[in-house]
Amino acid sequence: QVQLQESGPGLVKPSGTLSLTCAVSGASISSNNWWSWVRQPPGKGLEWIGDIYHNGDIYHSGSTNYNPSLKSRVTISVDRSKNQFSLRLNSVTAADTAVYYCARSYCSGGSCYSAGLDFWGQGTLVTVSS
Amino acid sequence: QSVVTQQPSASGTPGQRVSISCSGSSSNIGNNYVYWYQHLPGTAPKLLIYRNNQRPSGVPDRFSGSKSGTSASLAISGLRSEDEADYYCAAWDDSLTGVVFGGGTKLTVL
Repeated sequence: QVQLQESGPGLVKPSGTLSLTCAVSGASISSNNWWSWVRQPPGKGLEWIGDIYHNGDIYHSGSTNYNPSLKSRVTISVDRSKNQFSLRLNSVTAADTAVYYCARSYCSGGSCYSAGLDFWGQGTLVTVSS
Repeated sequence: QSVVTQQPSASGTPGQRVSISCSGSSSNIGNNYVYWYQHLPGTAPKLLIYRNNQRPSGVPDRFSGSKSGTSASLAISGLRSEDEADYYCAAWDDSLTGVVFGGGTKLTVL
């Protein structure tokens, strides 16, 4: 059974950098999957942040897609040695306060579907406040 | 303002059939698969429907999905109290090169 677990600071200061990690068990981070970050601000709906694909090539950092509205501030990366992936969001404001989820995309027949997230972490609340 | 729109709320009584709609455009729903999620407060979203109308194992057949053109629908038959949740549709958007979620529909079981 695939399991994902988010971790990171629950409080970040305005203009600082939000950093979260998602530890993956039951699957390899270098398997044929895209690994995503999704967030939900208080009282609002789900927002896709971005995703990453890594094929295990040690000379390749992975392929990424980012939400255009966040692209200038977001970096998603993979740590193959720890079987985890990470999110960095810089220049944060109160609008970035949210529950952040990591998730895995559904794959079938050699194709993966970024909008089909079949396994999720339980989510972690990050508050941006001084 | 999401590029994929859903009705903010829906309601029904136990045993009824309710439908939740999702409207997009040719760059998302019209040209890509639609996915539906059930989200209960304090829990992770759960994939209910994938590739427009497929149910993951363990999802009751009371839940069904359909798509026509640039719109999609989630139908829940035999409504139960435990179905009370937020429901989101999602699709890949070719123009944005990313995933778009609908704004969500809050389902109330009266």
